[in-house]
Amino acid sequence: AQKITQTQPGMFVQEKEAVTLDCTYDTSDQSYGLFWYKQPSSGEMIFLIYQGSYDEQNATEGRYSLNFQKARKSANLVISASQLGDSAMYFCAMRDLVMNRDDKIIFGKGTRLHILP
Amino acid sequence: DGGITQSPKYLFRKEGQNVTLSCEQNLNHDAMYWYRQDPGQGLRLIYYSQIVNDFQKGDIAEGYSVSREKKESFPLTVTSAQKNPTAFYLCASRTGTGLGDTQYFGPGTRLTVL
Repeated sequence: AQKITQTQPGMFVQEKEAVTLDCTYDTSDQSYGLFWYKQPSSGEMIFLIYQGSYDEQNATEGRYSLNFQKARKSANLVISASQLGDSAMYFCAMRDLVMNRDDKIIFGKGTRLHILP
Repeated sequence: DGGITQSPKYLFRKEGQNVTLSCEQNLNHDAMYWYRQDPGQGLRLIYYSQIVNDFQKGDIAEGYSVSREKKESFPLTVTSAQKNPTAFYLCASRTGTGLGDTQYFGPGTRLTVL
């Protein structure tokens, strides 16, 4: 069965340092997509970055990059030069071909990131 | 501006009452979704709709109902049959049907049953 695991329930990081949020996934499909979302205290889920399983390059979007290691089934989010506004809950999500047929996506339980001044 | 709106932001309900949460989008997306989020948890799918006048149950549909009479609107009714309705409810819509097509979310409604 498809699964997303985020093993870090909470993290504290000093402002301006880089942050890596872990995400491992499980699927038997060769075609799948991985997503990261940010949820600030206001509650809205904000899409950050996407990585397709066949993408040759790691996805990047501004200060966000995705460290995609296919053999290890990991898709870690890297935030460079962290800012106070990065304090939020972060969710990793996945959709594979089987799930896409049913229009489904699964989310991990999230990592709460605290940026310290 | 294009986006998804949800209202109200906070909702209080007495036990035994039905309540309807609003979700509207002007992104011209065909597919819309309702999720429930409990404290410290990820999102669980309640209902989704891929086209007007059609919708499917998600993983936790019991005690909820939806309608999709217009492309822009996908209201969720939390009925008195829902045993633990206090939660944060998020509505989303999706850009397309491809693997990489992203779901975009509204600001959410926090429902509290008194």
